[in-house]
Amino acid sequence: GENVEQHPSTLSVQEGDSAVIKCTYSDSASNYFPWYKQELGKGPQLIIDIRSNVGEKKDQRIAVTLNKTAKHFSLHITETQPEDSAVYFCAATANYGQNFVFGPGTRLSVLP
Amino acid sequence: GAVVSQHPSRVICKSGTSVKIECRSLDFQATTMFWYRQFPKQSLMLMATSNEGSKATYEQGVEKDKFLINHASLTLSTLTVTSAHPEDSSFYICSAFGAGQGANTIYFGEGSWLTVV
Repeated sequence: GENVEQHPSTLSVQEGDSAVIKCTYSDSASNYFPWYKQELGKGPQLIIDIRSNVGEKKDQRIAVTLNKTAKHFSLHITETQPEDSAVYFCAATANYGQNFVFGPGTRLSVLP
Repeated sequence: GAVVSQHPSRVICKSGTSVKIECRSLDFQATTMFWYRQFPKQSLMLMATSNEGSKATYEQGVEKDKFLINHASLTLSTLTVTSAHPEDSSFYICSAFGAGQGANTIYFGEGSWLTVV
């Protein structure tokens, strides 16, 4: 089955700097890759996603890149703000509509 | 985006009692819902997959008689923790995937904190 790894597990950046979180997956058939942000005590929120027919997708300060050959995808946050501090989860699935396999999460801290 | 509502957000129950958590898709029909358990500072652990009108599929190690899941309609799934014990205290989260406007991925509920005393 699919296995998703995520690095780093924790990340601290200064406000205004960029943050990059990388995930690798094992199933070459995976074709959908969402990213979720989870604030303390709340459920995860979808922030951006990418499908396998696209190499990059951007939404304001957030972007995701996908390298299908290398089987990795990354979340990029530019001009970080303190409110970006949260746990970020990546996920992958080859069977759209079924459960996603989640990475272990990255705790991002944006220092003012 | 689509909205998934979970209720209650926090619940405290006595050991030995049962507690029910509801998960509703508010603006789309959810043919499939998922229930997760999350321990502090850990990732999401899938407990079961709930399909409308059929029995839930439980992950290995999850007791189906203890964690009863019902998905009676396209907008509601419930998780009942039976004979709760303190070790069942955790953060429970549901998510939903469904066909329809705005629902083309998995959306999560707000989560429910269960404390068993």
